[in-house]
Amino acid sequence: GAVVSQHPSRVICKSGTSVKIECRSLDFQATTMFWYRQFPKQSLMLMATSNEGSKATYEQGVEKDKFLINHASLTLSTLTVTSAHPEDSSFYICSASGGQGVRNQPQHFGDGTRLSIL
Amino acid sequence: AQTVTQSQPEMSVQEAETVTLSCTYDTSESDYYLFWYKQPPSRQMILVIRQEAYKQQNATENRFSVNFQKAAKSFSLKISDSQLGDAAMYFCAYKPGARDDKIIFGKGTRLHILP
Repeated sequence: GAVVSQHPSRVICKSGTSVKIECRSLDFQATTMFWYRQFPKQSLMLMATSNEGSKATYEQGVEKDKFLINHASLTLSTLTVTSAHPEDSSFYICSASGGQGVRNQPQHFGDGTRLSIL
Repeated sequence: AQTVTQSQPEMSVQEAETVTLSCTYDTSESDYYLFWYKQPPSRQMILVIRQEAYKQQNATENRFSVNFQKAAKSFSLKISDSQLGDAAMYFCAYKPGARDDKIIFGKGTRLHILP
């Protein structure tokens, strides 16, 4: 089946550092990718939707300048947490789907990134 | 706006028994998909089962089956012959059918399997 690779799986860094998380579709073209944040024991909260070659659409309450999303190709989207602070510590998950307007395309999830800001 | 409600934060079932997880949703659309995802402690999101709203027949995947009641907007998951490896968070999810759109997740049900 389709595979989505997310890297890194775990990152620990100091406050003020910017952290980049990559999401790659390995065997299909992902026209749309989604970025989620998950707090402990809670559900997935959609942060933004990114379409290849255009600006990401952010959900209400998500800071665009804090969470920079780039979807430069059909197989790669990146989420950069800029000037990260301890409150940004969380589990981040990406998902990808393979076709604008294609009915039956499921979303495929990456394995997530655990971000810890000291 | 579409919403997904899982009213059972936690459930427990004896190994080898059957358990049903509840889910209701709200939408004004007629074309959509419903999903159950499993998230074990590894936090990987695993698709358990999928149902297209236009299909009347309930989806089944081995020990997992759903009871899809479109008029009642209900989508429960039945796990038969529960196994220790079924212990996880289970998320019910909704997605509009006609376009490449975001998935809306319920808050989840944590399932414990008692040996």
